[in-house]
Amino acid sequence: EAGVAQSPRYKIIEKRQSVAFWCNPISGHATLYWYQQILGQGPKLLIQFQNNGVVDDSQLPKDRFSAERLKGVDSTLKIQPAKLEDSAVYLCASSRDRGTGTQYFGPGTRLTVL
Amino acid sequence: ELKVEQNPLFLSMQEGKNYTIYCNYSTTSDRLYWYRQDPGKSLESLFVLLSNGAVKQEGRLMASLDTKARLSTLHITAAVHDLSATYFCAGTNTGNQFYFGTGTSLTVIP
Repeated sequence: EAGVAQSPRYKIIEKRQSVAFWCNPISGHATLYWYQQILGQGPKLLIQFQNNGVVDDSQLPKDRFSAERLKGVDSTLKIQPAKLEDSAVYLCASSRDRGTGTQYFGPGTRLTVL
Repeated sequence: ELKVEQNPLFLSMQEGKNYTIYCNYSTTSDRLYWYRQDPGKSLESLFVLLSNGAVKQEGRLMASLDTKARLSTLHITAAVHDLSATYFCAGTNTGNQFYFGTGTSLTVIP
């Protein structure tokens, strides 16, 4: 079974630029999560999808961050415009459903904002 | 919001020794998770604890959950170098939102 795929793996941008991250979850997984992990901290949930609907986005900075999950499969997370404090690893995870909730994480995208 | 606290934050232990990592959480959590993260890598799921008194073991790691005390523990038996990593616990609230602890960085010294 293929794991969660993410791209790009690394991205360096200047502040006020835009950036987008892509995630392809494990086939058949209905729930998809985006996390932000700042160096030395635990992951922070940004947004959670169930199929193509948003279940929770309470910690997503909506003035600059947006996410979508078209057709309930792939997802993109966008930052526009980026700030220095957005430098972090962005992790995508998926789970079969919201019940037992075992999550499988992708390799992450390391974003550096200069 | 569910607050999740781990201690210790840093742990250096000798091979062959035993130790316990503690995870306290602030409000009722339906489930408790443990993850491992190697440097520069993503998170790997270790255990999912679904009910009070749940105990799960895999190799030298054993996790338990006490929902009344709002406490989970990850016990390491006879540590080996390969266990060096950062360990996170995470809880979920009634809305199935995940909240992670700050992690425990474990270094096993030969």
